[in-house]
Amino acid sequence: KNEVEQSPQNLTAQEGEFITINCSYSVGISALHWLQQHPGGGIVSLFMLSSGKKKHGRLIATINIQEKHSSLHITASHPRDSAVYICAYLGNKLTFGGGTRVLVKP
Amino acid sequence: SQTIHQWPATLVQPVGSPLSLECTVEGTSNPNLYWYRQAAGRGLQLLFYSVGIGQISSEVPQNLSASRPQDRQFILSSKKLLLSDSGFYLCAWNPGQNQPQHFGDGTRLSIL
Repeated sequence: KNEVEQSPQNLTAQEGEFITINCSYSVGISALHWLQQHPGGGIVSLFMLSSGKKKHGRLIATINIQEKHSSLHITASHPRDSAVYICAYLGNKLTFGGGTRVLVKP
Repeated sequence: SQTIHQWPATLVQPVGSPLSLECTVEGTSNPNLYWYRQAAGRGLQLLFYSVGIGQISSEVPQNLSASRPQDRQFILSSKKLLLSDSGFYLCAWNPGQNQPQHFGDGTRLSIL
């Protein structure tokens, strides 16, 4: 069993729809990373959070440390949000989930 | 501000040839440095990390090696590339444990 599980693996949405990606992990952690990988391969760090909720533009990340679960929400999705979203828990090194491939259609 | 440079962006190499990928970080000192690989259709995998000059930890046995000759320079090498070394290689850094990691633009390596 992977230490970090993401769902769904693939997601297709229409422009404007609300998107939720889930991440569950099996070990106690101090912080969780949400990353965005663009079609060209480049990776951008979206959030690092250890409790509660963070918001940046149309992106919202939440985490429940006790339940070992985090979610990434995209509000009013847009085709430029199409990417692979990866959660990873953070210690001395990152342990990654398998990623969620998001396609937002116009 | 801190920046991370990784080159080359793409590389095509024959089987059995050597490899050297370079990563440098600017605007910080004594960063933690990381090399990741993403093979086709697979997730990210940590290959090496370094917490200081000359200190390299290897996560998986493989055909690759890493070196840190200077504080802000991290090099990924191979003496003889295998077909299975194809993939997308990412360098990353952070200031220390439990800090966000910042990624380079990546190198797409194709082995023929």
